[in-house]
Amino acid sequence: EAGVAQSPRYKIIEKRQSVAFWCNPISGHATLYWYQQILGQGPKLLIQFQNNGVVDDSQLPKDRFSAERLKGVDSTLKIQPAKLEDSAVYLCASSFGGLAGDQETQYFGPGTRLLVL
Amino acid sequence: KQEVTQIPAALSVPEGENLVLNCSFTDSAIYNLQWFRQDPGKGLTSLLLIQSSQREQTSGRLNASLDKSSGRSTLYIAASQPGDSATYLCAVLNSNYQLIWGAGTKLIIKP
Repeated sequence: EAGVAQSPRYKIIEKRQSVAFWCNPISGHATLYWYQQILGQGPKLLIQFQNNGVVDDSQLPKDRFSAERLKGVDSTLKIQPAKLEDSAVYLCASSFGGLAGDQETQYFGPGTRLLVL
Repeated sequence: KQEVTQIPAALSVPEGENLVLNCSFTDSAIYNLQWFRQDPGKGLTSLLLIQSSQREQTSGRLNASLDKSSGRSTLYIAASQPGDSATYLCAVLNSNYQLIWGAGTKLIIKP
């Protein structure tokens, strides 16, 4: 079974530039998550999709971040314009969306490491 | 609002020692608790998942316990090895199927 795919793996940009990250979840997973992990901290949920609908985007800085999940499969996270404090690892995860009950877990991609100069 | 705390933030022990990592959470309404490992520059690896109705789970030299009523979990590592050096993260799955994370414990095993 193929895992969660993310690209690119690394990205260096200057502040005020824009950047986009791509995620392909595990086939059949209804729920997709984007996290931001700043060095030395645990991941912070940015947005949660159920199929192609947004379940929770309360922690997404909507003035500069946007995300979409086309056709309920792949997803793209965009930052425009980037700030220095956006330097972090952006993790994508997918899951069955609650069908597993209390055995529910999320499967993580390798992450995209973003450095904003 | 669920909050997850991990103590200590960092731990350094000689090889061969047994050790315990701690995780606490404020809201007992969880589906499960999971322990993950993260190596520098790498992704997250799931180690153990304890369902809300369970008290512990074991995998090899790892044993995780869960006391939901007190909001606590421990990860016990037996006979530590240098290869166990990594950051260990605890996360609880809330009623919205969202993982709420601790900040992690950075573990260094000295040869």
